[in-house]
Amino acid sequence: SQQGEEDPQALSIQEGENATMNCSYKTSINNLQWYRQNSGRGLVHLILIRSNEREKHSGRLRVTLDTSKKSSSLLITASRAADTASYFCATVTTDSWGKLQFGAGTQVVVTP
Amino acid sequence: DAGVTQSPTHLIKTRGQQVTLRCSPKSGHDTVSWYQQALGQGPQFIFQYYEEEERQRGNFPDRFSGHQFPNYSSELNVNALLLGDSALYLCASSGGWGSNQPQHFGDGTRLSIL
Repeated sequence: SQQGEEDPQALSIQEGENATMNCSYKTSINNLQWYRQNSGRGLVHLILIRSNEREKHSGRLRVTLDTSKKSSSLLITASRAADTASYFCATVTTDSWGKLQFGAGTQVVVTP
Repeated sequence: DAGVTQSPTHLIKTRGQQVTLRCSPKSGHDTVSWYQQALGQGPQFIFQYYEEEERQRGNFPDRFSGHQFPNYSSELNVNALLLGDSALYLCASSGGWGSNQPQHFGDGTRLSIL
């Protein structure tokens, strides 16, 4: 079974709206990362948040981490059509350096 | 500054055959990981190489093997191909074994098994 699970599986919004997706995981982590994947392409790293951090920002992206609930959220503000992609959370556990464990992803469609 | 490059981009094989996929890491990176991504799923970790040795391995059978060369490039070999091996194979590189650095991914090799 996968370490991380994203919710919702799919999200459809209009340009300018915010998009929020959540990730839950099962075991203690060293860090949690969010990646974006455009159709048929590789994954692009968005944000890394360490287990002792609670919130990080990068441009229009905001990530939160709640280790007590074993969950994280990714917020994309003022979404654009170019944000259309699949978004994955990936965890690195304390006993497995560099091994990313991915969820099944959230497919986001932003319509103009 | 070239990113992670993979070859070939697409490959079609039949059951029972063997395949080799290749990956050149991003400049300055010395650690290479391989992932298998089935359609509609998240990537699954296959294994990771550092200093020409396999350092970690995911839940994949011995039919999956790899190699890392002195220039840090890497190969993924799959023997006795099964229909279920059809997937996008992604290579990722990072710098510094054990560091908390994000991984950089190539665009993958799409492998289809007939």
